[in-house]
Amino acid sequence: GAGVSQSPSNKVTEKGKDVELRCDPISGHTALYWYRQSLGQGLEFLIYFQGNSAPDKSGLPSDRFSAERTGGSVSTLTIQRTQQEDSAVYLCASSLSRAQGNIQYFGAGTRLSVL
Amino acid sequence: AQSVTQLDSQVPVFEEAPVELRCNYSSSVSVYLFWYVQYPNQGLQLLLKYLSGSTLVKGINGFEAEFNKSQTSFHLRKPSVHISDTAEYFCAVSEKQGYSTLTFGKGTMLLVSP
Repeated sequence: GAGVSQSPSNKVTEKGKDVELRCDPISGHTALYWYRQSLGQGLEFLIYFQGNSAPDKSGLPSDRFSAERTGGSVSTLTIQRTQQEDSAVYLCASSLSRAQGNIQYFGAGTRLSVL
Repeated sequence: AQSVTQLDSQVPVFEEAPVELRCNYSSSVSVYLFWYVQYPNQGLQLLLKYLSGSTLVKGINGFEAEFNKSQTSFHLRKPSVHISDTAEYFCAVSEKQGYSTLTFGKGTMLLVSP
């Protein structure tokens, strides 16, 4: 596609429910990243995928968070048993290659509100 | 590990005035440097980048930034701002090795008034 696509753009859920956020990266980009943007914490790295390598999960805040990337393309971020502190904008980015200087292109984000 | 400090959380300025948004970073390894802009309810858009070479880099919308290795700074400047430049600006770094993630500053809100 022309850019990184994220869905839904907004998600309202009740505390304790599970949510799935989707990211469709730019076609041909081998690396995919998830970040979280919240008022108190700014922009935080969550997880990234590079080709067929094991993902770097070092930024996931708890075991309620998980992500997968199918076929080296679309990625889904899952938050189980959501809590109010999970409310944030979840941003996805993709990048092409090391030669490009790791330039990451971002989607518009999913705004998650946990009531 | 890296860290990024944006010294100003908010910068108010009048239209057509010059502006400088400050960014300092800390890293034990060589890094790439970026400025991203975020307009309300939108994602991050790459404004400019420093990968190597000339320390003065030019980006979109008339912005430029200068990499100063000795001061570990990468300040963003524009000689004359427009109302439409009102947005949040994020400075970020990533390690030169591998597919490193971005480490962001807290952001600076640029408020341009008539």
